[in-house]
Amino acid sequence: QVQLQESGPGLVKPSQTLSLTCTVSGGSISSGGYYWSWIRQHPGKGLEWIGYIYYSGSTYYNPSLKSRVTISVDTSKNQFSLKLSSVTAADTAVYYCARIVVVVAATIDYWGQGTLVTVSS
Amino acid sequence: QSALTQPPSVSGSPGQSVTISCTGTSSDVGSYNRVSWYQQPPGTAPKLMIYEVSNRPSGVPDRFSGSKSGNTASLTISGLQAEDEADYYCSSYTSSSTPVVFGGGTKLTVL
Repeated sequence: QVQLQESGPGLVKPSQTLSLTCTVSGGSISSGGYYWSWIRQHPGKGLEWIGYIYYSGSTYYNPSLKSRVTISVDTSKNQFSLKLSSVTAADTAVYYCARIVVVVAATIDYWGQGTLVTVSS
Repeated sequence: QSALTQPPSVSGSPGQSVTISCTGTSSDVGSYNRVSWYQQPPGTAPKLMIYEVSNRPSGVPDRFSGSKSGNTASLTISGLQAEDEADYYCSSYTSSSTPVVFGGGTKLTVL
């Protein structure tokens, strides 16, 4: 059973960089076949796709966030990470890491439990 | 504004059936059989319920079914149970600037 677990600060100051890590267990990121993704959900709102990375390092970002987002992968630790720069209160949300099945694009078969990140001074 | 349009809420009594619609365009739902549905009970992460329009992952009850006609996909839940009360989101592959688009979500209330 694949499990994903987000970790990182729950409080970030405005203008700083939000950094989160997702640790994958029960499966190897290096095995291929999946895009490793970050998705967020503003309080009481719907889901917003942030971007994803393949184990090779190829990335794809939501154009609306692209200038501020970096997703990286560390296959040795079976982890992938999110950095979102110059955050504002509008970036306050629950951040989920998730796995997208490549051959069935847009199918997210596993999700982390989510972590609330609040942007506030 | 979400890329896919869902009704904000639906409701039904135990035992009844409800259908949630998800309307997109010819750039997403209408052109690809890559529609998924997710269930999100309050305070929890989304869970995959349907993929590729009508396929159920292992462990999902057959009370949940999916279909598509033109630019609109639908999720039908038959034999409603109290435990089905949750938010439901659709998603689709798309040829637009982002490969994944979501609906705005539908709150299902079991009366």
